[in-house]
Amino acid sequence: AQRVTQPEKLLSVFKGAPVELKCNYSYSGSPELFWYVQYSRQRLQLLLRHISRESIKGFTADLNKGETSFHLKKPFAQEEDSAMYYCALLYGSSNTGKLIFGQGTTLQVKP
Amino acid sequence: NAGVTQTPKFQVLKTGQSMTLQCAQDMNHEYMSWYRQDPGMGLRLIHYSVGAGITDQGEVPNGYNVSRSTTEDFPLRLLSAAPSQTSVYFCASSNPGQNTEAFFGQGTRLTVV
Repeated sequence: AQRVTQPEKLLSVFKGAPVELKCNYSYSGSPELFWYVQYSRQRLQLLLRHISRESIKGFTADLNKGETSFHLKKPFAQEEDSAMYYCALLYGSSNTGKLIFGQGTTLQVKP
Repeated sequence: NAGVTQTPKFQVLKTGQSMTLQCAQDMNHEYMSWYRQDPGMGLRLIHYSVGAGITDQGEVPNGYNVSRSTTEDFPLRLLSAAPSQTSVYFCASSNPGQNTEAFFGQGTRLTVV
């Protein structure tokens, strides 16, 4: 069965430190993976999708099919990065829009 | 540009009461979904729809009903509220296609006492 795991509930770092939010998945098909972010008092929004291989707000994420991972990284954390981050997998084919989410990781960036 | 709009933002219900959470989108998206967000469990899919007149169950459908009479609206009904349904509910919409982005409403915080 499909599954997304984010092992850390809370990640606390100082401003300027590197950040890595872990995400592992289990899926028999070809994975379509995303990172969504929820800032305080804001709605959930897309941060990254693996197919784009882009950098958004300094964040990158690489799909590693061998390790079934999609970790989110940023070399230098900023205070405005403090938020809840969810890793998500689109499952049941692209014809449903169904997402399965990890448990979420709260990133706290201290000044 | 409203995007996905959910009402109400907050609601308190007594056990056994019924209510409908409203969700509307103005992006002409085909897909709509309802998720619940609980601490330590992420977001879990309740029901989803791939178009008007078509709905299906997600991971945690028990105690909830949905219908999709129009492309724009996707209401979620709680038939007889239970304390276990205390949660934050999110509606989302998207279009078909690979790696398509989902757009979320601002959420409804529901407390069942």
